[in-house]
Amino acid sequence: QQQVKQSPQSLIVQKGGISIINCAYENTAFDYFPWYQQFPGKGPALLIAIRPDVSEKKEGRFTISFNKSAKQFSLHIMDSQPGDSATYFCAASANPHGSSNTGKLIFGQGTTLQVKP
Amino acid sequence: DGGITQSPKYLFRKEGQNVTLSCEQNLNHDAMYWYRQDPGQGLRLIYYSQIVNDFQKGDIAEGYSVSREKKESFPLTVTSAQKNPTAFYLCASSWEGYDTQYFGPGTRLLVL
Repeated sequence: QQQVKQSPQSLIVQKGGISIINCAYENTAFDYFPWYQQFPGKGPALLIAIRPDVSEKKEGRFTISFNKSAKQFSLHIMDSQPGDSATYFCAASANPHGSSNTGKLIFGQGTTLQVKP
Repeated sequence: DGGITQSPKYLFRKEGQNVTLSCEQNLNHDAMYWYRQDPGQGLRLIYYSQIVNDFQKGDIAEGYSVSREKKESFPLTVTSAQKNPTAFYLCASSWEGYDTQYFGPGTRLLVL
């Protein structure tokens, strides 16, 4: 129940196309869903995050779509560029706000994105 | 310049040897974490600490040990009991009660 399942494992997209990565979860207590971007040999960097009170969040070319009833969320990269080629991880945590507990992030398995010029 | 630093970038371990990975942050974050990354498996939590002098086991703590004597430092020791230590190790930190974690650049551990 603590798992976050991510698909696809790898993705090849032409420059200018839309990249879509999907994640699914079981634990309904999860209330924070970030996406991280990782380049080879580097640490992951936070890309965008969403909470269940909204169904969509957009930052530049990156959009998270969230479907609470289906327990799914996805990352859309519009107008994909070769510089977007990286590994993307979704994650989820259950963190009681106002609590002194820090929620542990549960990561998906990652998606390696290649954007062809 | 604020951030999380990890050292060394590459580390080589001999059979039966303990090695220590360094993680330092100057973000004034309360919580710190250690993850292990293997190809195709995402990030798995080894240990985490929410406050100085206190830490909890994550999902794969066997063969590892940590200490948290200072707020800004959270070193990880890979002991000889860890039979498959070859991996990319990532340190992260966050403010207490906040979800967002910030990652360091990682240390790649290789076995000789």
